[in-house]
Amino acid sequence: DTEVTQTPKHLVMGMTNKKSLKCEQHMGHRAMYWYKQKAKKPPELMFVYSYEKLSINESVPSRFSPECPNSSLLNLHLHALQPEDSALYLCASSLRQADYGYTFGSGTRLTVV
Amino acid sequence: QKEVEQNSGPLSVPEGAIASLNCTYSDRGSQSFFWYRQYSGKSPELIMFIYSNGDKEDGRFTAQLNKASQYVSLLIRDSQPSDSATYLCAVNSEAGGFKTIFGAGTRLFVKA
Repeated sequence: DTEVTQTPKHLVMGMTNKKSLKCEQHMGHRAMYWYKQKAKKPPELMFVYSYEKLSINESVPSRFSPECPNSSLLNLHLHALQPEDSALYLCASSLRQADYGYTFGSGTRLTVV
Repeated sequence: QKEVEQNSGPLSVPEGAIASLNCTYSDRGSQSFFWYRQYSGKSPELIMFIYSNGDKEDGRFTAQLNKASQYVSLLIRDSQPSDSATYLCAVNSEAGGFKTIFGAGTRLFVKA
């Protein structure tokens, strides 16, 4: 299995909703990442988990809450988002943190209304 | 702030030509360098990585690294219309905790 699977692929949520994005990999990678990407911009790092521990939080607003239940799963919990949070949310994994390059999931296209 | 800079393009080349994509980085301590391809509406895909000075070839792709000049490039030989995409240069740095920093990307168009 050489894939990173993200669900859902598309999500529309209101500003008062709570939702979660899910990411799963079975490649034995020990680092997992959340990135946010706006149109025509590069991916912007949000969070890094290394060996299931939060390694980097890029000063992301608390309305985004990451969780790593085990070495294969990564969640991003969303609450009280703003319309400007609409973007493509990408999960990625790598063998180790910032090493060997990433395998990206197909992303979740999030629209906040 | 450590930076990775790329010409945003678009870079337009005819089919069969060599496309040359360039990237400079500011963190002299960077050790690992990557090229990702991203088609419109899709997620990035790793196509090359390089750690040592010199050239690394993989099929039609050649990555070139010059750490003294802090310069990375990607050459695509025999360019095909299917190579039309945005190419992201990414650099790993220990500064700030082993982060990968992406450049803004270069849009490549290969004309049939």
